Amino acid sequence: KAGVTQTPRYLIKTRGQQVTLSCSPISGHRSVSWYQQTPGQGLQFLFEYFSETQRNKGNFPGRFSGRQFSNSRSEMNVSTLELGDSALYLCASTPRGGAETQYFGPGTRLLVL
Amino acid sequence: QKEVEQNSGPLSVPEGAIASLNCTYSDRGSQSFFWYRQYSGKSPELIMSIYSNGDKEDGRFTAQLNKASQYVSLLIRDSQPSDSATYLCAVPQTGANNLFFGTGTRLTVIP
Repeated sequence: KAGVTQTPRYLIKTRGQQVTLSCSPISGHRSVSWYQQTPGQGLQFLFEYFSETQRNKGNFPGRFSGRQFSNSRSEMNVSTLELGDSALYLCASTPRGGAETQYFGPGTRLLVL
Repeated sequence: QKEVEQNSGPLSVPEGAIASLNCTYSDRGSQSFFWYRQYSGKSPELIMSIYSNGDKEDGRFTAQLNKASQYVSLLIRDSQPSDSATYLCAVPQTGANNLFFGTGTRLTVIP
C-alpha cells in the first residue's frame, strides 16, 4: 500500500505571497491532519479533516486554511506569507482519526524570503 | 504548562549502552501514548505505543508508563549508531483527533 504523499517537497516563496500544499493519504484513510514543524516550536497541530469536514483546529491564525476532497486528498493554504511561516509542513493520515497511529508523509519544506 | 514536555537533550550514549528518554504530560485523562522517531531530514515514524500502566517491550525498545506520575519513558537497549535520531513523545488531545508532540530529544549513539 502506498504511503502518504505530499507535493511539492520544497518551496521558496517571498513575503506576502500565498502557497498551497497538497497531501494524499494512504488509500482507505479518511482522516488527514496537518502539522507545522519548526526548530523552535517543534511539531504543532494545524487542523484535521475527516470526510471533507474540519473537525479540529490548532492555534494558528486565519491565514492558515485547509480543505479535504471527496477522495480524502487534502490541501492547506497559507496566505500573506510571513518569514516565520518557514517550516516543514507535515500531513498525517489515519483510518478514522483519533488516538490512532498517525502515518506521516515526507513533508513540504517551505522557505519564505 | 505545555501538554507534553521532554528533555530536549542532546543525549549521547556509547554504542551498546541503554538510552533513556523521558516525557511528562499534563492531561490526567490521557489514555494512549506514542513514541515517534525522526531521522534528520525525514518525517516522524511510530516506534512504540502504550496504553496501560507498566512496561511494553518490542525488541530493543521498552516503553514505560506511570499514569499516577503522568510520566512515560522509552528505553533503548544495546543502542546502535542507527538509533541516532530525535525521539518525539506524543499524546492525543482529549476529545479531539490530533496529537500533542513534545519538542523531542535528540539522541546520538557514539560508535
